[in-house]
Amino acid sequence: DTGVSQDPRHKITKRGQNVTFRCDPISEHNRLYWYRQTLGQGPEFLTYFQNEAQLEKSRLLSDRFSAERPKGSFSTLEIQRTEQGDSAMYLCASSFITGFSYEQYFGPGTRLTVT
Amino acid sequence: AQTVTQSQPEMSVQEAETVTLSCTYDTSESDYYLFWYKQPPSRQMILVIRQEAYKQQNATENRFSVNFQKAAKSFSLKISDSQLGDAAMYFCAWGANNLFFGTGTRLTVIP
Repeated sequence: DTGVSQDPRHKITKRGQNVTFRCDPISEHNRLYWYRQTLGQGPEFLTYFQNEAQLEKSRLLSDRFSAERPKGSFSTLEIQRTEQGDSAMYLCASSFITGFSYEQYFGPGTRLTVT
Repeated sequence: AQTVTQSQPEMSVQEAETVTLSCTYDTSESDYYLFWYKQPPSRQMILVIRQEAYKQQNATENRFSVNFQKAAKSFSLKISDSQLGDAAMYFCAWGANNLFFGTGTRLTVIP
């Protein structure tokens, strides 16, 4: 079991650029979640997938954000036209459920700095 | 509002002693889970313990136990025999699908 992995671990970008993050969940997990964590706060939910279907999106996920999980395995989160307010840690988590929510296992996160 | 409140931004405990971290939450859901996660400095979130809301019995995992009061929407974490490795940010969370997190309690363990 290799756990949840995220790439890159750190990303520095200039305002206005696009960035894409990748998350590889634990292999047998069918749900994948994205959260955002800013300094001094707990993670805030962005969106989640069950297999390849995106089932829920937070109001935090503006039009500049898009997430995909094309084959029900890894997922990507893209932020277009980045803003300084996008600077945060982006966390991915995965879980295996058969009917109800179960514990989520988190990856190490991607720290985004927008200059 | 589906909120989680951790009223203790910082706590400290002497090594080998016991400490309790408090958490209250607000939801109108009837079926949900509650979790405590640990986030060491610059390291990833680790699940400490979970509790099913439909279970009255409090969950226990080795030195970690919870006091779950569903009517009061309270979910505190007790750490017994504290160790230096317990030092971290602790987040309380609840959810049925996605999770709602509190702002965390920073625990310091004093040798």
